[in-house]
Amino acid sequence: GAVVSQHPSWVICKSGTSVKIECRSLDFQATTMFWYRQFPKQSLMLMATSNEGSKATYEQGVEKDKFLINHASLTLSTLTVTSAHPEDSSFYICSERGLAGANEQFFGPGTRLTVL
Amino acid sequence: GENVEQHPSTLSVQEGDSAVIKCTYSDSASNYFPWYKQELGKRPQLIIDIRSNVGEKKDQRIAVTLNKTAKHFSLHITETQPEDSAVYFCAASRRSQGNLIFGKGTKLSVKP
Repeated sequence: GAVVSQHPSWVICKSGTSVKIECRSLDFQATTMFWYRQFPKQSLMLMATSNEGSKATYEQGVEKDKFLINHASLTLSTLTVTSAHPEDSSFYICSERGLAGANEQFFGPGTRLTVL
Repeated sequence: GENVEQHPSTLSVQEGDSAVIKCTYSDSASNYFPWYKQELGKRPQLIIDIRSNVGEKKDQRIAVTLNKTAKHFSLHITETQPEDSAVYFCAASRRSQGNLIFGKGTKLSVKP
């Protein structure tokens, strides 16, 4: 299956700062990547679909100006949490589908964000 | 949009017993149903999946069944072992869209 990496694996920041999370596809050219958020003891919630070379598609209730997504290349998508607040503390996970049109998704190892 | 319900939220079994987790979905256009196992602090790992043109799929101790008419699918784990203890998530998606909608998860505990 596809190999997906994320960086950093964890980050602690002060309230009001911005944090960038990188998601890399190491063996496939990923035209589409997905960003999920998982609060403690909860399920994964889709935040947005990241499309290479075009704007991301955000799920209802997710603020596009707060969670900036950039997918400038076929192997890299970034999620920037702007002006982070304690309620943004969560586990952020990206995924990609590997082969174009395939069903199976491969997840990155996740990034634990803690906002103080 | 799609809504996935998962039951039970917690499940405790004795080692060697079987475990069954059930999910229902709302979107009749969904055609892909994966199951993920997630250990604490780790990424979800795909353990088995089923497509809408198949009613049942088995991989060693793990099986999944799908009833398209009733819009529900189930995960069956036989001969459970302590290392099966984790949180299990079902999900549904349309192949054309790709994004997964997850159930709320089931915490499975297998007691030795």
